Amino acid sequence: DAGVTQSPTHLIKTRGQHVTLRCSPISGHKSVSWYQQVLGQGPQFIFQYYEKEERGRGNFPDRFSARQFPNYSSELNVNALLLGDSALYLCASSWGQGAFTEAFFGQGTRLTVV
Amino acid sequence: GENVEQHPSTLSVQEGDSAVIKCTYSDSASNYFPWYKQELGKRPQLIIDIRSNVGEKKDQRIAVTLNKTAKHFSLHITETQPEDSAVYFCAASSTGNQFYFGTGTSLTVIP
Repeated sequence: DAGVTQSPTHLIKTRGQHVTLRCSPISGHKSVSWYQQVLGQGPQFIFQYYEKEERGRGNFPDRFSARQFPNYSSELNVNALLLGDSALYLCASSWGQGAFTEAFFGQGTRLTVV
Repeated sequence: GENVEQHPSTLSVQEGDSAVIKCTYSDSASNYFPWYKQELGKRPQLIIDIRSNVGEKKDQRIAVTLNKTAKHFSLHITETQPEDSAVYFCAASSTGNQFYFGTGTSLTVIP
């Protein structure tokens, strides 16, 4: 069984550009969440989707958006990139929405904004 | 929203000694507390978790304790080995797949 997969692995963008990151959850998992991990810090919660609906949003500006597709894969979009958006973006999948739900992380997309 | 604090930020121990990492949380609705280990350049991996209806959980050399009243939980690693060297993150959640993480503890086990 494949784990959570993210693409691309690395990405370099210029300030002001737009970026799309992709995530495929573990087979059978219906929930995907996104996190931003700046070097030396813990992951910060951005979004959570379950059954294609947004179920939670962290404290991030409207430049960040996401969606989940019928096959439960997900995209994270960031517009008008800033230098401060440089980070490792992690996707986590879980089977459901209930309490005590284990989450499994992908290897991340390393975004560098220059 | 939830705020998770984690201490210490760095920890060095001799091989075979014990290591303890402590976290506090602010939201009394949080009911699930996983711990993740992240090696350099790799994804966070779940090593142990505890639910709010349990006070302690152990898995071989790793144990976690939870004090709901005080809103703090701790990770205990006994008989540390060099391969335990990594960054450890605590997290808290009140809703499935929405986690609030601590700032991490960089553990170094000295052979």
